[in-house]
Parts: sequence; C-alpha cells; structure tokens
Amino acid sequence: SAVISQKPSRDICQRGTSLTIQCQVDSQVTMMFWYRQQPGQSLTLIATANQGSEATYESGFVIDKFPISRPNLTFSTLTVSNMSPEDSSIYLCSVTGQSIRVQYFGAGTRLSVL
Amino acid sequence: GENVEQHPSTLSVQEGDSAVIKCTYSDSASNYFPWYKQELGKGPQLIIDIRSNVGEKKDQRIAVTLNKTAKHFSLHITETQPEDSAVYFCAAPVNSGGGADGLTFGKGTHLIIQP
Repeated sequence: SAVISQKPSRDICQRGTSLTIQCQVDSQVTMMFWYRQQPGQSLTLIATANQGSEATYESGFVIDKFPISRPNLTFSTLTVSNMSPEDSSIYLCSVTGQSIRVQYFGAGTRLSVL
Repeated sequence: GENVEQHPSTLSVQEGDSAVIKCTYSDSASNYFPWYKQELGKGPQLIIDIRSNVGEKKDQRIAVTLNKTAKHFSLHITETQPEDSAVYFCAAPVNSGGGADGLTFGKGTHLIIQP
C-alpha cells in the first residue's frame, strides 16, 4: 500500500483563522478523499479531491468552508476556513491503491480550535 | 445514499475468546464492505474487506461474512489477544455505483480484550 504523509500532525488554532492540511503520497494514486472524525465519533466523508478540477463535496460540506486542491496525482490540501471550536476534529486523508475500491488512510491531523 | 448501522458500540471479551461485530447496510446495490481498526492516536488501518460476490473471507484469526439477502456483514476475530483492543469500523461505499467512491462508516465498536 502507499505511504501517506499528512502535515501538520496536530495544531491548536484560534477561532476565525484558517489552517491548510497537506496530504502527500509516495506513489501515484487514483482517488484521494478527505474525512472528518469528530472527538470520539466515526468518520464522515467531506469530499473527493479531483485532480485538476473542483472537489466533489458531500452533503453538509461546502467549498467556502473546506476548499480542497489536488494539483497532481500524489498531493492534495484541505483548508479549514474561518474556524470555530466546532471544527475541532481529526482530519484524515485517504487514497486508493491499485484497486480503486480499497482505501488507505493517513495518520490524520488533530485540530483543536480555541 | 448508503446508511450503515454497527453493533455493539462496546464489546468486552476474555483473552482467547472470540469477538463478533455486526453491521447492516441500506443500499442493496452496495458491493464492497471493508473493516478498519483504529488504535488510539492513529489513522484507521484496513484489516479485511469483502466484495458482494463472495459470502466469506478469512485472513488468519480474522474473518468477514456477508449476507446480501439480509444486508448485513460481520467481523469475526478468534483467539483474541491484547493487541486486538481498538476501535473497529465497518464501512460501505457512499454510492453504489461501479466507480471509486468514498466510504460511509458505522459508528464504531470499542473492543476491549480482558486479560
């Protein structure tokens, strides 16, 4: 499986600011996704990061709040904009391998908003 | 879209005993069902998956069974060990289309292995 690196691994931010999370993969992958995991909860899909075009967002998530870029097949960013304490979560990047169905996850970015 | 229900939320078993976690899904067209293990402070790790063209899959102490008629699938862990203690998530594709989709997850099961 691919090696997935997320940066930063954790951060503490002030409300009203924005944070950009990076996801780097060591090999070209087909699909990249972003998930949110609120404290003690399950994972929720935010969006599919499409290479060279706008991301596809799930219901309840909008581009203005979570802008996503994917300039190439190995890199994507998720920005959490105008943060509030409710945005405190783990943000996870996942990628598909040779099988487009099988997803592998990064270690996540632990975000706390004060 | 798909909806996945997972039970139980917490499961405590004696070391060496078996553990079973069950999930149900809503979309009869769903055809891929992975299981993930998440340890504290880490991202989810894929441990086993099953596609809808088979009813059971095994990998050493771990097995997954699928009942398409009843729309449920289960994770079975035999001869449990302390390192099996973690949160386990079942999942299914958000959409049942043939392409690559994101996943919708169950709420998770906290598995505790008692020594």
